[in-house]
Amino acid sequence: QKEVEQDPGPLSVPEGAIVSLNCTYSNSAFQYFMWYRQYSRKGPELLMYTYSSGNKEDGRFTAQVDKSSKYISLFIRDSQPSDSATYLCAMRKSNYQLIWGAGTKLIIKP
Amino acid sequence: DGGITQSPKYLFRKEGQNVTLSCEQNLNHDAMYWYRQDPGQGLRLIYYSQIVNDFQKGDIAEGYSVSREKKESFPLTVTSAQKNPTAFYLCASSPGGGRSYEQYFGPGTRLTVT
Repeated sequence: QKEVEQDPGPLSVPEGAIVSLNCTYSNSAFQYFMWYRQYSRKGPELLMYTYSSGNKEDGRFTAQVDKSSKYISLFIRDSQPSDSATYLCAMRKSNYQLIWGAGTKLIIKP
Repeated sequence: DGGITQSPKYLFRKEGQNVTLSCEQNLNHDAMYWYRQDPGQGLRLIYYSQIVNDFQKGDIAEGYSVSREKKESFPLTVTSAQKNPTAFYLCASSPGGGRSYEQYFGPGTRLTVT
């Protein structure tokens, strides 16, 4: 069993919809939880990170962590075609190692 | 402009040849990383370095080698011992002080070995 599970999609939604992206994990020792966005043929870029359970909001993006269920989510409000990308969740295993989900490909249709 | 550069963007090699991928950063970051990305899989850590002249194996180090002689540079050599070298290779860096969650990536090198 992988330490981090993420549905690869693709997930296709119409412009303006609310998008929900999710990851589950098995290691209760994970502390930091990150969401990275990767455009095609580019390197990933950090969108958001959270340390504890709860919600963190940044503009149209909200990251949610539920440690009791070992479940994290990223919500995108008022989705735009420019949000079309692959979204990778990552979790910190040690001071220098992250464990990554497979990434979910998101397509926002105009 | 601060950032990470990787070269070349595309690389083609014959089986049995060693190849070195370049990674340079001007962010003054202490830590640097090499990942491999294959379709349908998450990023897998090959090697990482927390400080100059020191590096550690990641989960899939077999068939790869690195050096960290300068803070700015962390080249990766894909040797002929790597069984399946065709992949997208990503280099990243992060500030020190345990801020490994904040990784900055280069544009990647797509290596094709035939």
